[in-house]
Amino acid sequence: SQQGEEDPQALSIQEGENATMNCSYKTSINNLQWYRQNSGRGLVHLILIRSNEREKHSGRLRVTLDTSKKSSSLLITASRAADTASYFCAPNTGGFKTIFGAGTRLFVKA
Amino acid sequence: ETGVTQTPRHLVMGMTNKKSLKCEQHLGHNAMYWYKQSAKKPLELMFVYNFKEQTENNSVPSRFSPECPNSSHLFLHLHTLQPEDSALYLCASSQVVAGGLGQETQYFGPGTRLLVL
Repeated sequence: SQQGEEDPQALSIQEGENATMNCSYKTSINNLQWYRQNSGRGLVHLILIRSNEREKHSGRLRVTLDTSKKSSSLLITASRAADTASYFCAPNTGGFKTIFGAGTRLFVKA
Repeated sequence: ETGVTQTPRHLVMGMTNKKSLKCEQHLGHNAMYWYKQSAKKPLELMFVYNFKEQTENNSVPSRFSPECPNSSHLFLHLHTLQPEDSALYLCASSQVVAGGLGQETQYFGPGTRLLVL
């Protein structure tokens, strides 16, 4: 198990702009997941990308994975005020232990 | 609605009280988790149950006592808590496939907001 480290810690953008969040980790992974958390609520799964995948799309979300650099990025295109939330990456090396990082707090201004 | 429910949603208790948090998943998953989320701190994994057997206990104080009577229900029994235990407690479940390459998607409940006075 290992912890993903998200960057930046906080991000403020205008509605309609793109938001990019990065995640770094330290050891080899089986998969990496991204989650969103609205204030005071549970986490919601966004995307799972496996170690043999380089890019994945889901609606306005695009996730990339670079295993050589041990990093991943989450791009939200054409952001909306409703995208305001905290975003967490969760690298998984196998087993049951997923260690979440501190997250990136995204604020989208209307 | 993620298929994972938690009750109560809010709880205020004194340090001498005993209370229990309940989690139920309707997804047919075989693994369940308790997490603690304190203000301005990362999500902390507390306990993991796989097929009702506890597989992880992340050095959690004994005043927190988990119980998993079946694969759909998970409890967290609380007694003699401290004010620093005030936090959002999240339950999650996932389906782990034997021989799988890693933990798959976790589905989270809405959490129980706990305040210890």
